Amino acid sequence: QKEVEQDPGPLSVPEGAIVSLNCTYSNSAFQYFMWYRQYSRKGPELLMYTYSSGNKEDGRFTAQVDKSSKYISLFIRDSQPSDSATYLCAMSGSSASKIIFGSGTRLSIRP
Amino acid sequence: EADIYQTPRYLVIGTGKKITLECSQTMGHDKMYWYQQDPGMELHLIHYSYGVNSTEKGDLSSESTVSRIRTEHFPLTLESARPSHTSQYLCASSESRFGAGGYTGELFFGEGSRLTVL
Repeated sequence: QKEVEQDPGPLSVPEGAIVSLNCTYSNSAFQYFMWYRQYSRKGPELLMYTYSSGNKEDGRFTAQVDKSSKYISLFIRDSQPSDSATYLCAMSGSSASKIIFGSGTRLSIRP
Repeated sequence: EADIYQTPRYLVIGTGKKITLECSQTMGHDKMYWYQQDPGMELHLIHYSYGVNSTEKGDLSSESTVSRIRTEHFPLTLESARPSHTSQYLCASSESRFGAGGYTGELFFGEGSRLTVL
């Protein structure tokens, strides 16, 4: 069993829709939860991070962590074509030295 | 914008050749990493370094080797390339520390080196 599971998609939604991306994990020691965005032919870049459980909002993006269910989500409101990318969840323990990535969900926003 | 650079971006090479993928960062980060990424698959850590003269193998077994003689430079070498080495290789760096502002272990990635071995 993989430590982090992520639906690879692809996910295609119309512009303006609310997008929900999710990951599940098995290691209860994970404390830092991150979302990276990767555009085609580019390296991933950090979009958001959350420590422990709870919500974090940044503009149109909201990250949620439910440690009791070992489930994290990223919501994108008012989605734009420029949001089309692969979104990778990532997580690490208290030392933050070892980061485990999900396989990424490919998202396409249709104009 | 992250100041981490990888060369070459694309490389097509024959079996048995020796190749070196270059990675340099100008942020003074102590930690550097090499990940392997195949389409639709998660990033796999193949090597990491926490400072000069410090290198460790990652979770995914790899026939490649790395060196860290200077803080800013972390090259990856394959002595004899094979078709199974065909993949995208991503270099990253970080300054993992925990301050009052919270998590600062952000990974800064280069744009990747796409290797094809014929």
